[in-house]
Amino acid sequence: ETGVTQTPRHLVMGMTNKKSLKCEQHLGHNAMYWYKQSAKKPLELMFVYSLEERVENNSVPSRFSPECPNSSHLFLHLHTLQPEDSALYLCASSQGGGDTQGITYEQYFGPGTRLTVT
Amino acid sequence: GQNIDQPTEMTATEGAIVQINCTYQTSGFNGLFWYQQHAGEAPTFLSYNVLDGLEEKGRFSSFLSRSKGYSYLLLKELQMKDSASYLCAPNTGGFKTIFGAGTRLFVKA
Repeated sequence: ETGVTQTPRHLVMGMTNKKSLKCEQHLGHNAMYWYKQSAKKPLELMFVYSLEERVENNSVPSRFSPECPNSSHLFLHLHTLQPEDSALYLCASSQGGGDTQGITYEQYFGPGTRLTVT
Repeated sequence: GQNIDQPTEMTATEGAIVQINCTYQTSGFNGLFWYQQHAGEAPTFLSYNVLDGLEEKGRFSSFLSRSKGYSYLLLKELQMKDSASYLCAPNTGGFKTIFGAGTRLFVKA
């Protein structure tokens, strides 16, 4: 238990469906992240929110739409996905980001949502 | 561009010592993380180095050389439960941490 929960844990959806992934952190952190982890590939950063403001958006297709209504909750809305979007989607949170003094905070990851697009 | 190199797989024996190397080239560098990821689970934080040198934390130690773009994770007194992937992850500034593909470590009896 890292203090970060994700629902659902598994999701199978067709290419025309719309679904949402949910993440909640109970750590009092102010930054939240979405990552994609495909088989045999590194974790890819998708989005970062700090104090509910999007601060990173890594050239992610518009069929993925994040939402951060408050510092404890993060959503990833999915629509018209492709089979290559099948992956493990991980949410993480941290106390903050890095600064010029070299202080960087570790991230706490949720268990992930295993997404299969058919 | 960003590049992180670490071995794909390593095998070691229970009770032994293993060193997992990582070289990186990034635009911007604040420090380097190591995470452990068991199969089917989320990554968990192991260590963070911002200055050159060795940081020791129980059975795990991590080393950083900023000038060489090099880090290693040292695991001592290996246990079967140490079988996992180990992710080298430099922070390039702000909220951006780049993850390597990971080194899968197999610990055999």
